[in-house]
Amino acid sequence: ETGVTQSPTHLIKTRGQQVTLRCSSQSGHNTVSWYQQALGQGPQFIFQYYREEENGRGNFPPRFSGLQFPNYSSELNVNALELDDSALYLCASSLYGFTDTQYFGPGTRLTVL
Amino acid sequence: AQKITQTQPGMFVQEKEAVTLDCTYDTSDPSYGLFWYKQPSSGEMIFLIYQGSYDQQNATEGRYSLNFQKARKSANLVISASQLGDSAMYFCAMREMDSNYQLIWGAGTKLIIKP
Repeated sequence: ETGVTQSPTHLIKTRGQQVTLRCSSQSGHNTVSWYQQALGQGPQFIFQYYREEENGRGNFPPRFSGLQFPNYSSELNVNALELDDSALYLCASSLYGFTDTQYFGPGTRLTVL
Repeated sequence: AQKITQTQPGMFVQEKEAVTLDCTYDTSDPSYGLFWYKQPSSGEMIFLIYQGSYDQQNATEGRYSLNFQKARKSANLVISASQLGDSAMYFCAMREMDSNYQLIWGAGTKLIIKP
């Protein structure tokens, strides 16, 4: 059973650019959630995808968007990057159930200059 | 108001001692779940233990146990016989039934185990 994988591991962009982060969910999982973790803080929920539909969103602007594919892998897209977007982006996969545990990938560290 | 509060920014513990990491939460939803995760310096979030609001007994997973006091809205993580590899950030998180299943996180506690 393969775990959650994310790519790339690290990324450096400049302000105003666009970025796409990728996540492959754990085998058998149908739900993907994305979180942003600024340095020294707890993660903040960005959004969740279940069966290719966004079904929950945190307090993030529309320039944060996502996709989930039929194989349940997912992308996080961020347009018009700002300096404050510099963070660790974590992807978690799970089954779609209230008690189901979210399992995380290693994260993508994004630096915006 | 903070939904998850972890009052200990950092802790130093001697190897082989037990350690308790505090977590208090705030919710009016009767159905919720509480999670603890460990985050080593590598960055990956590692699931440790889960407690449901209707669970009658405290959760245990190996050396990890959760001291769940529902009336006090407290869900402290207890690590028995600490090891050097336990040094990491520890996060408490909550999921409410009415919140699209998102996890709400505390600020974390940095645990350092001394040899």
